[in-house]
Amino acid sequence: QVQLVQSGPEMKRPGASVKVSCKASGYIFTSYGISWVRQAPGQGLEWMGWISTYSGNTNYVQRFQGRITMTTDTSANTAYMELRRLRSDDTAVYYCARDLDCSTPRCSDTWGQGTLVTVSS
Amino acid sequence: EIVLTQSPATLYLSPGERATLSCRASQSVTSYLAWYQQKAGQAPRLLIYDTLYRANGIPARFSGSGSGTDFTLTISSLEPEDFAVYFCQHRGNWPPTYTFGQGTKLEIK
Repeated sequence: QVQLVQSGPEMKRPGASVKVSCKASGYIFTSYGISWVRQAPGQGLEWMGWISTYSGNTNYVQRFQGRITMTTDTSANTAYMELRRLRSDDTAVYYCARDLDCSTPRCSDTWGQGTLVTVSS
Repeated sequence: EIVLTQSPATLYLSPGERATLSCRASQSVTSYLAWYQQKAGQAPRLLIYDTLYRANGIPARFSGSGSGTDFTLTISSLEPEDFAVYFCQHRGNWPPTYTFGQGTKLEIK
């Protein structure tokens, strides 16, 4: 079945970097783009950006520009999100989410299970 | 930049009642307006896409409507498993750009 499996929880110091992975299975990886969405504790959903798994083109939210890099390894069917110069307010659960699959009569979505990133000194 | 404002922040209802959740956009948007449900400790789940259409596997008690700047998610008769947080989402033009509302928490009265 279609699945996105993310890497495990991370604990980082302020100023460090984190790289979260999102391994896809059950479908053709390059057929669907991947978004990254985060959720701070008790807060709402924040879309961070999107990467085309086909071309590698990216679209980042302005406020993360310069701190974020999204990449893919098509040989490993894996997407990555690196966030640099971490601050305490980057503490959140980070999700990867595949573009909607509308190849069937009704669209469906697929999300990773989430990766908790904790930034603390 | 489009801002989505959801209301109410919290909605207290009982099982069997009808729930009406609102999402207002800061400017007129295309029909790409989606609704997600999120339960504690879980990833969001798509309920409605393109304003009107139920996602795969979503029960018929969920429906979406609206146009322009005002959109609504209606749950016709609440089941115990429907008590959760609901987010609306808009997708902008190519390349994909997404915006979420701040969420409505549906709680048991």
